[in-house]
Amino acid sequence: QVQLQQWGAGLLKPLETLSLTCAVHGASLSGYQWTWIRQPPGKRLEWIGEISHIGSINYNPSLKSRVTISLDTSRYHLSLKLRSVTAADTAVYYCARFSLSVGFSWFHPWGQGTLVTVSS
Amino acid sequence: DIQMTQSPSSLSASVGDRVTITCRASQDIRNDVGWYQQKPGKAPERLIYVVSSLQSGVPSRFSGSGSGTEFTLTISSLQPEDLATYYCLQHNSYPRTFGQGTKVEIK
Repeated sequence: QVQLQQWGAGLLKPLETLSLTCAVHGASLSGYQWTWIRQPPGKRLEWIGEISHIGSINYNPSLKSRVTISLDTSRYHLSLKLRSVTAADTAVYYCARFSLSVGFSWFHPWGQGTLVTVSS
Repeated sequence: DIQMTQSPSSLSASVGDRVTITCRASQDIRNDVGWYQQKPGKAPERLIYVVSSLQSGVPSRFSGSGSGTEFTLTISSLQPEDLATYYCLQHNSYPRTFGQGTKVEIK
């Protein structure tokens, strides 16, 4: 059974760097897009970006200048760094696996979510 | 970016009612759309993929339809456990985008 377990600092000050890690248990890394998604309080889900096991990366243009997604294939760790955070970056952050092939596509599973609050 | 516009943003219905949620894409996304259910305090869970295919284990009262720019999620007979917010998602192009969500409440 595939499980994603995530962790990271939950309280940041403005201009600090958000850093989250997501451990992948019970799954191969190949053939999937490993993704970060966030959800500001009361707002819609926002796709942040993804990385494949061979290092192919796509970012949301709205965050591209501040975000770095990486995948440690030896430790099965997915990471997110978001620089120079502001209150607008306050959100629950999720890691998720995206599967895409002919006839199917889905985000599953998801991590448990990490609430990150940016406040001075 | 492709904009995904859901309606309504919230609804209240009785157990047994038929519920319909609509998602409109700002451009043709073929059948590259899925639906997710998010219960309070939980991560979203997959419901439907490529417009109308039901994920394994999802009750048959859920169904999806549509093509191009208009998509629909239907709950044929609302149950108390369906209390949740529902999101559509397009994966036709980058960045992936979600609808704003439809909060379903039980009268």
